Amino acid sequence: DVKVTQSSRYLVKRTGEKVFLECVQDMDHENMFWYRQDPGLGLRLIYFSYDVKMKEKGDIPEGYSVSREKKERFSLILESASTNQTSMYLCASSSLPNLGPSFFFGPGTRLTVT
Amino acid sequence: GENVEQHPSTLSVQEGDSAVIKCTYSDSASNYFPWYKQELGKRPQLIIDIRSNVGEKKDQRIAVTLNKTAKHFSLHITETQPEDSAVYFCAPSLNTGGFKTIFGAGTRLFVKA
Repeated sequence: DVKVTQSSRYLVKRTGEKVFLECVQDMDHENMFWYRQDPGLGLRLIYFSYDVKMKEKGDIPEGYSVSREKKERFSLILESASTNQTSMYLCASSSLPNLGPSFFFGPGTRLTVT
Repeated sequence: GENVEQHPSTLSVQEGDSAVIKCTYSDSASNYFPWYKQELGKRPQLIIDIRSNVGEKKDQRIAVTLNKTAKHFSLHITETQPEDSAVYFCAPSLNTGGFKTIFGAGTRLFVKA
């Protein structure tokens, strides 16, 4: 059974703090993604990674960075949290294309920045 | 890059009726077309997908149809039930490595008992 886990379900941080969101998958998937989900805006891609130490910007990378030191772990970093980064953050992984790039999502981290 | 649009954004149907959600995409190279369902408070989960060499796929009450020429694909739910109430997302993409997947904005389906 595929498992994608995220380090926290709920997180409250103060403006200006550095925030780390961790995601771990146990299916040896090459591709990992970070999305944020806001009401009426759907899922917006922040960053993705298709290999260890590789990263690509998504549609809304500003204010975020990522790290992928190991295949199973993909971290999202908010360098200096701001109130407009209050959101639900979803991590996902997917397998090699010949298996179909279907996504497996983590449970999400609801981040509140005050 | 890929531009993805879903219609309608909200859909309300009576239990037992059918529901159809349409996803339009811009990248003609896209060759993988999935639909995800997200129930309230839960993570999105894949419910059905189709590849570009197939025009239609069915799994019990749900089906996906693809029109590659017109660059759209649709989710069909028949005999809707209250548990079908959820947000549905499409995510057309390239079936290659290193891809960037864009999700549609989502369609909120309400099934009234």
